[in-house]
Amino acid sequence: GENVEQHPSTLSVQEGDSAVIKCTYSDSASNYFPWYKQELGKGPQLIIDIRSNVGEKKDQRIAVTLNKTAKHFSLHITETQPEDSAVYFCAANVRSNDYKLSFGAGTTVTVRA
Amino acid sequence: GAVVSQHPSRVICKSGTSVKIECRSLDFQATTMFWYRQFPKQSLMLMATSNEGSKATYEQGVEKDKFLINHASLTLSTLTVTSAHPEDSSFYICSVKGFNEKLFFGSGTQLSVL
Repeated sequence: GENVEQHPSTLSVQEGDSAVIKCTYSDSASNYFPWYKQELGKGPQLIIDIRSNVGEKKDQRIAVTLNKTAKHFSLHITETQPEDSAVYFCAANVRSNDYKLSFGAGTTVTVRA
Repeated sequence: GAVVSQHPSRVICKSGTSVKIECRSLDFQATTMFWYRQFPKQSLMLMATSNEGSKATYEQGVEKDKFLINHASLTLSTLTVTSAHPEDSSFYICSVKGFNEKLFFGSGTQLSVL
């Protein structure tokens, strides 16, 4: 099945700096790549997503880039704030599993004030 | 996006009892909902797909007789953990498949089996 690899597993940044999380996928048929933010004890929240027909998408301080050839996509958070501290998950849909999402292992982001 | 309500948020039960978790889609008629399980500091593991009006489909390794799913309406899916044991203790999260394949999650249920 689809293997979505996510790096790094933990990331500590100074407030105001940028944070970048990278994911790779294996299914060339994957065409939808969402990112989720999960705070402790809560369900994941969809923060941004991208489809395979575009290479980049931006929403205020958050951006996602997609390289279909290399099969990797990244989340970029600029001007980080303490409230950005959370666990972030990338995901990709999987053709062999009826296009259900397969999730990365998660990245714990800590923004130091 | 879809607003998903999940209850209870936390439940503690004795070993051998059954626990029901409800997942409601408040503003979207959901023909498809998903149930996930998450262990501490781990990723989301898909357990089953809940289909309105038909039987749920379970992922490999998930016992369908252990985790009963009912999706009787377009707004409600329930997960019942039958004869719960300590190893069933986990964070259970439901999700709704909304427009354009977007997945929206409930707030999760922390199950602790004593």
